[in-house]
Amino acid sequence: KNEVEQSPQNLTAQEGEFITINCSYSVGISALHWLQQHPGGGIVSLFMLSSGKKKHGRLIATINIQEKHSSLHITASHPRDSAVYICAVRFGQGAQKLVFGQGTRLTINP
Amino acid sequence: NAGVTQTPKFQVLKTGQSMTLQCAQDMNHEYMSWYRQDPGMGLRLIHYSVGAGITDQGEVPNGYNVSRSTTEDFPLRLLSAAPSQTSVYFCASRMREFTEAFFGQGTRLTVV
Repeated sequence: KNEVEQSPQNLTAQEGEFITINCSYSVGISALHWLQQHPGGGIVSLFMLSSGKKKHGRLIATINIQEKHSSLHITASHPRDSAVYICAVRFGQGAQKLVFGQGTRLTINP
Repeated sequence: NAGVTQTPKFQVLKTGQSMTLQCAQDMNHEYMSWYRQDPGMGLRLIHYSVGAGITDQGEVPNGYNVSRSTTEDFPLRLLSAAPSQTSVYFCASRMREFTEAFFGQGTRLTVV
């Protein structure tokens, strides 16, 4: 079964801390997405990657294909980073469907 | 640039009623999808489309119909609403297979 597991489920940290959210998947993938869902409910795509590392501002996403693992890092975290972060993967070439993790609820306290 | 627009944002239905959730995108994306999000579960795919005139079932298609008569629009129809369809629904689109996905703001549906 194609599965996506995220950890931790909930994470509370202080402003300025370095944050890591993990995503593991069961079989080979063609692409992995990191999404952010704000308390208001809207979903925003942060990254799409199939290898290596991507950086956008304070956000960094890495993927290790051999270990079937991806991480999302936030440097110098801020209360406005508080949201649910969702990992979603596309299993195999030509697959149309994204399989989603359950999300990591991040709370950054001032 | 509006992106992906979903309407309505909120809806309450009685069991057995029908309704259509609207989704429109102005980015000329080929791929469009409908998901539902329930507490404690990840987003689940209901139906998707890889282009005008082409639709297919996702993980949880029962009770829902879709059509894709134009590239821009991908409506989701509930033919006879049931309390189990109480959920938050998201529409998403992307240009092609390995490109970034864009999501609508969601529709919170309650069936009583």
